[in-house]
Parts: sequence; C-alpha cells; structure tokens
Amino acid sequence: DGGITQSPKYLFRKEGQNVTLSCEQNLNHDAMYWYRQDPGQGLRLIYYSQIVNDFQKGDIAEGYSVSREKKESFPLTVTSAQKNPTAFYLCASSILEYNEQFFGPGTRLTVL
Amino acid sequence: GEDVEQSLFLSVREGDSSVINCTYTDSSSTYLYWYKQEPGAGLQLLTYIFSNMDMKQDQRLTVLLNKKDKHLSLRIADTQTGDSAIYFCAERQTGANNLFFGTGTRLTVIP
Repeated sequence: DGGITQSPKYLFRKEGQNVTLSCEQNLNHDAMYWYRQDPGQGLRLIYYSQIVNDFQKGDIAEGYSVSREKKESFPLTVTSAQKNPTAFYLCASSILEYNEQFFGPGTRLTVL
Repeated sequence: GEDVEQSLFLSVREGDSSVINCTYTDSSSTYLYWYKQEPGAGLQLLTYIFSNMDMKQDQRLTVLLNKKDKHLSLRIADTQTGDSAIYFCAERQTGANNLFFGTGTRLTVIP
C-alpha cells in the first residue's frame, strides 16, 4: 500500500527544544517537500529536495533544517531559532517531471 | 513574484452547485491544481488542468481556466455534505520546482 506517512500526528514540545518531524514515502518519488500551514493562510514552502543528499530552501526556511540521506525519508527539524513554531506541518512528494504532489496526513506541532 | 488568491469562505445548500474561484498573477504558469483538505488531514489532489486547456470535466467537477484574466474556477455539481472542506488552488510555473498555493476556500455545505 503506497503512500506518505508522517509521524507523530500530534506533537508537543517546550519552548527552546529542537524537535524532528518524520516523513517517509514508498512511492519511489524523487522529490519531497515540507510545508507549513497556519490558519487563514495557504501552504508555505519550508524546504524541498529533488535528489538524495541535496535540498533547497523554500520561502520560510529560517529556523528549520532538513536532511535527505535516503530517497524515502525527508525529516524536518524545527529548531529553537524558529520564532513561532506552532503550526500544522505537511510533507509531500512527487515525480520530478510532473510535480503532481501527494501529501501526507500532517503533524500538528504545539510549542508550549 | 507569485500571488494566488482565493476567497476564504463559501456556503452552499446541499444539492446546489458550488463555484470556488482563484486568481493568479504569473502568466507563465504551466499546470494549475485543485486540492481538497478535510479537517486535520493532508491535501488530496482533486484535479488539474494544463495551461493550454480552458476546461476540464471529471464527474461532478468542472475546472474552467481563463488565461487572459488569470482566473481559475472549480465547479462542484450537486454539492454534498461530504464536500465540506478547504479547497486550495495551486500553480506550477515554467521552470519552477514547487507549487504556489492560494490561501484556501472553506466550503460549508448546509443540509
């Protein structure tokens, strides 16, 4: 059963702590993406990766970091430098040529 | 720069048609997409249209593209309560590696 999984669904952290959100896909997609969603706003791109061991900053990369050591996995770390980390985070993947993106179920991060 | 705009809210009665509108500013868009997001979930691709088309129909969904006015719409025929969700339009520009999303339109279907 192919798809994208994100875990956990809900995550709570104290202010000042780094936290890593997981994203895994078994669709054999080359490209993977991280978006942030806030109420009343569209999705904003944080980072994306088109190939293993390579990634590019999106529109709001400050305070975030990623890695792409395997094709299937694209974890996102929300660092303590991110000033307003509480949000819904969505991971997506696509075949590079078509860019039709498939989304995971999301992780809701709450920083207390 | 890119700017994709949508109205934030739309309410319709069950059985009526819904029309969700989207405007974009970049004329080099190649593909335009409609995604649906149910509460607390990820986005589900509903349909897409290539920029050299002006209409695409898929069961209850009709997408209209007016390239001159940079206006995209999604019509849902015979709207059901299960259609209540947030609908996002998104564009992919020539040479771009990612999508630019609108703010989303929250569709509420009244029984």
